[in-house]
Amino acid sequence: GAGVSQSPSNKVTEKGKDVELRCDPISGHTALYWYRQSLGQGLEFLIYFQGNSAPDKSGLPSDRFSAERTGGSVSTLTIQRTQQEDSAVYLCASSLAVQYEQFFGPGTRLTVL
Amino acid sequence: GQQLNQSPQSMFIQEGEDVSMNCTSSSIFNTWLWYKQDPGEGPVLLIALYKAGELTSNGRLTAQFGITRKDSFLNISASIPSDVGIYFCAGPPIIQGAQKLVFGQGTRLTINP
Repeated sequence: GAGVSQSPSNKVTEKGKDVELRCDPISGHTALYWYRQSLGQGLEFLIYFQGNSAPDKSGLPSDRFSAERTGGSVSTLTIQRTQQEDSAVYLCASSLAVQYEQFFGPGTRLTVL
Repeated sequence: GQQLNQSPQSMFIQEGEDVSMNCTSSSIFNTWLWYKQDPGEGPVLLIALYKAGELTSNGRLTAQFGITRKDSFLNISASIPSDVGIYFCAGPPIIQGAQKLVFGQGTRLTINP
């Protein structure tokens, strides 16, 4: 079946603008995760959704970052008043509940000028 | 928080050589995952380990879950050009209900033809 998809694949924005990144998880996967990967680095956890439970927001770096998941499927990560240090690849992953085998999308490369 | 340290950070080998990389932590993990990331793509799960001492193979790849639960090893035999990429170890921190993954910084594998 289809894998995790993300859009856009690339986003260039100006400092101070807001951006929205979208993730479509694998159908039937109840858990959805957002990670950030800076150039040449490993992945940094941002936020996690599991079913109807309150999301785990412990990885969000500031209150400029927020995410929502509508209808238990599609998720949107919003970054307000973007800064140059927000430039990174933002990766989304999904998994079946209670499993750790997360499947990743191709990522959105965000560049803040 | 729990961190994973990977070594080496990069490897330059000849095609056909065997590869060995490892991942260590100062605290125990109950699950170890190995991912491979190609340029412009999200990480792809290679091997999952769930039990201390477990040795699991996936084709030319073999991974082991260290008996101390603080380390894991990934070996690639008879490397081929498509093995080029960045290899990440990952695992869920020992926190009740935690579903997020902690990632190592990655080992970049380059193969000289």
